[in-house]
Amino acid sequence: DVKVTQSSRYLVKRTGEKVFLECVQDMDHENMFWYRQDPGLGLRLIYFSYDVKMKEKGDIPEGYSVSREKKERFSLILESASTNQTSMYLCASSPAGEGEQYFGPGTRLTVT
Amino acid sequence: ELKVEQNPLFLSMQEGKNYTIYCNYSTTSDRLYWYRQDPGKSLESLFVLLSNGAVKQEGRLMASLDTKARLSTLHITAAVHDLSATYFCAGGAQGGSEKLVFGKGTKLTVNP
Repeated sequence: DVKVTQSSRYLVKRTGEKVFLECVQDMDHENMFWYRQDPGLGLRLIYFSYDVKMKEKGDIPEGYSVSREKKERFSLILESASTNQTSMYLCASSPAGEGEQYFGPGTRLTVT
Repeated sequence: ELKVEQNPLFLSMQEGKNYTIYCNYSTTSDRLYWYRQDPGKSLESLFVLLSNGAVKQEGRLMASLDTKARLSTLHITAAVHDLSATYFCAGGAQGGSEKLVFGKGTKLTVNP
């Protein structure tokens, strides 16, 4: 079974802090994704990576950056957290050439 | 740009009844996915539909794809309380991109 894990289920940070969210997948997938999920807005893609060190902006990249130094790990970075970044963050992965994405358990981030 | 619309967004139904969730998409998409999300949990893959006329069934859920009408449906037969969840459809973005575009989700509540 594909397993996607995220470093924290719940996280509380203060405004202005630098925040790291980590995602690890164990199925050698080429593609990895970061989404945020907010009530009424569905899932919105923040960043996408199709290979190590390769990334592509999604629909809402502002205020976020990403890092993929190893194939299995994809990190989302909030350089200076703000209250409007309070959300559920979901990581997903998929093999190259296939669309089905496998999701991690999510991190509920609260910025106070 | 691919857009995916689901309706209804909220659905309250009685146990034992049948209902259908609709997923319309705006431009050509050669693959369509259905996911389920339980409250506070992540997304779980339900169905992958890859060709016109594809039909998949699992228990009381059946999904179909009509690429000519740009429509996928998720039919619920004789609903039970355990089916209460939010259901998302997602289409493959154009040009062979491995990104998915998600609908806003349909929150299903099955009442005894």
